[in-house]
Amino acid sequence: SQQGEEDPQALSIQEGENATMNCSYKTSINNLQWYRQNSGRGLVHLILIRSNEREKHSGRLRVTLDTSKKSSSLLITASRAADTASYFCATDALDNFNKFYFGSGTKLNVKP
Amino acid sequence: EPEVTQTPSHQVTQMGQEVILRCVPISNHLYFYWYRQILGQKVEFLVSFYNNEISEKSEIFDDQFSVERPDGSNFTLKIRSTKLEDSAMYFCASRGTASNQPQHFGDGTRLSIL
Repeated sequence: SQQGEEDPQALSIQEGENATMNCSYKTSINNLQWYRQNSGRGLVHLILIRSNEREKHSGRLRVTLDTSKKSSSLLITASRAADTASYFCATDALDNFNKFYFGSGTKLNVKP
Repeated sequence: EPEVTQTPSHQVTQMGQEVILRCVPISNHLYFYWYRQILGQKVEFLVSFYNNEISEKSEIFDDQFSVERPDGSNFTLKIRSTKLEDSAMYFCASRGTASNQPQHFGDGTRLSIL
């Protein structure tokens, strides 16, 4: 199975601290994407990183990709209470970019 | 910003009945997807659709399920003879033409089978 797995499963931090979440996957990919899901809502796309990229930034978000280790990390700097949500990575497969696999997610709680 | 919209937001149905979940993808997108998320579990891929046909489907997407693009804007998921274990959030997503474009998700339909 290609399914990615995030760790930790849950993370609780104080507002202002940084949050790091990791994702591992099993087979070669074209892209890896990170999504946020607020409770009971849909998935909001955060960042897409291609397999030939190693790092990408978007505002307070920093994503890294290590294809040799088949892993990615999402760093949220200077976290806010509004960042409280579940975060998922999603991968496709090198020979099939039209089928996506989500991990189990990291539930982030940012305490004010 | 364009959005994927799904209706209804909550559907309650008796076991054995058929349900149709509706989605309006972003207008210039050509790839469409359905996912399922059982409460407390991960998001599971069901099916992808391109050029008026299914391009990929998972093991979950058996003969009980079907998808259709009945007109130029809607994308539907039909579940026949629903079972209790079909209770879940169902998400629709759409994507543009390039393989490195992200999927955009709707807010989902919560399906409750009684």
